Amino acid sequence: GAVVSQHPSRVICKSGTSVKIECRSLDFQATTMFWYRQFPKKSLMLMATSNEGSKATYEQGVEKDKFLINHASLTLSTLTVTSAHPEDSSFYICSARDRAVPSTDTQYFGPGTRLTVL
Amino acid sequence: SQKIEQNSEALNIQEGKTATLTCNYTNYSPAYLQWYRQDPGRGPVFLLLIRENEKEKRKERLKVTFDTTLKQSLFHITASQPADSATYLCAPKSPGANNLFFGTGTRLTVIP
Repeated sequence: GAVVSQHPSRVICKSGTSVKIECRSLDFQATTMFWYRQFPKKSLMLMATSNEGSKATYEQGVEKDKFLINHASLTLSTLTVTSAHPEDSSFYICSARDRAVPSTDTQYFGPGTRLTVL
Repeated sequence: SQKIEQNSEALNIQEGKTATLTCNYTNYSPAYLQWYRQDPGRGPVFLLLIRENEKEKRKERLKVTFDTTLKQSLFHITASQPADSATYLCAPKSPGANNLFFGTGTRLTVIP
């Protein structure tokens, strides 16, 4: 149980284009999902918290117009990197919290999406 | 500001030995602390959660301790195996906070 998927797993795009990454909770409902970014050999950096049916909460220094987050249902959140540039190349990971088990606050992570912007 | 530090970036040990990883935090009063495992190119996988009123937690070959006075958690893997090679991340969680912040991670390599 508690499986989170991400699509695509890898994407290569040209500079200036937009890329959408999907995060799905497959066997549970998630009122809250989180988006992280990870650079090589570095820890996860929280970008934003996505709440179903409301606007995402962005961490300091993360441009909300650059990284658009939509959490339209209890099982799907999307991250769109708009007008991507080479410095946006990174490993993007989402996680989801099971609404049925709020007390533990355990997050279930997706397998990540490797974005390369040429 | 809040800070989470894991003792070393990399740790190499011989198969069969016990690996001990350290997580130190400052300017935090976590209600609990979680440990995750991350393999290269993959998302983290939850391993263990220990609450502030618990001194120790065990799960198979894993053991976690939590010392709120020292502001430290230790993560032990006994009888280590090459398959335990991965990066291990700690994540203390403050009460009332909605999200997790992760430590820098320790890359463990178990040598056969």
